[in-house]
Amino acid sequence: AQSVTQPDIHITVSEGASLELRCNYSYGATPYLFWYVQSPGQGLQLLLKYFSGDTLVQGIKGFEAEFKRSQSSFNLRKPSVHWSDAAEYFCAVGADNTDKLIFGTGTRLQVFP
Amino acid sequence: EAGVAQSPRYKIIEKRQSVAFWCNPISGHATLYWYQQILGQGPKLLIQFQNNGVVDDSQLPKDRFSAERLKGVDSTLKIQPAKLEDSAVYLCASSLQEQYFGPGTRLTVT
Repeated sequence: AQSVTQPDIHITVSEGASLELRCNYSYGATPYLFWYVQSPGQGLQLLLKYFSGDTLVQGIKGFEAEFKRSQSSFNLRKPSVHWSDAAEYFCAVGADNTDKLIFGTGTRLQVFP
Repeated sequence: EAGVAQSPRYKIIEKRQSVAFWCNPISGHATLYWYQQILGQGPKLLIQFQNNGVVDDSQLPKDRFSAERLKGVDSTLKIQPAKLEDSAVYLCASSLQEQYFGPGTRLTVT
């Protein structure tokens, strides 16, 4: 069965520092992978997605993610974090097709000034 | 372009009461989803509609949850009777290719 693991429940970084949020997936075929961000009281917003092709994908708000098939990972990165990036981040895999999303448990990002 | 609308935003009920949530998807989006997001967890798909037909409701607790999509546009999700473990945020999403999420309804069952 498909599954997504986000090992870090809570991460704290200083503003301006670099960021990497980890995501590992379990899926038999080539996965469709997504990162979403959820600010308090808001719905989920798509940051970026990977379907095929270049394994380094660029998203909105300066985020990028790299698909590594050998490690079953799709880690999210940002070179310099802003205070407004504080939110909950969810990794998701598209099960069977892109319609059915299976989400990880999320990583809460806290940013200190 | 207007986003996915949901109402109410917050609801507090006692166990065994009933509750209904409403979702208005983005215009033209044929696919509509309801997710349940329990505190500390990722969203879990409850039901998926394609136009006004159900594509997947395998995770919907049908003894107490029901959902419909009127004329392939708006949708309602109902819980009757509610249990304490139903306390969660209920998210609606719609899609053409990517899923766009509404702000959710936070349900507290006491």
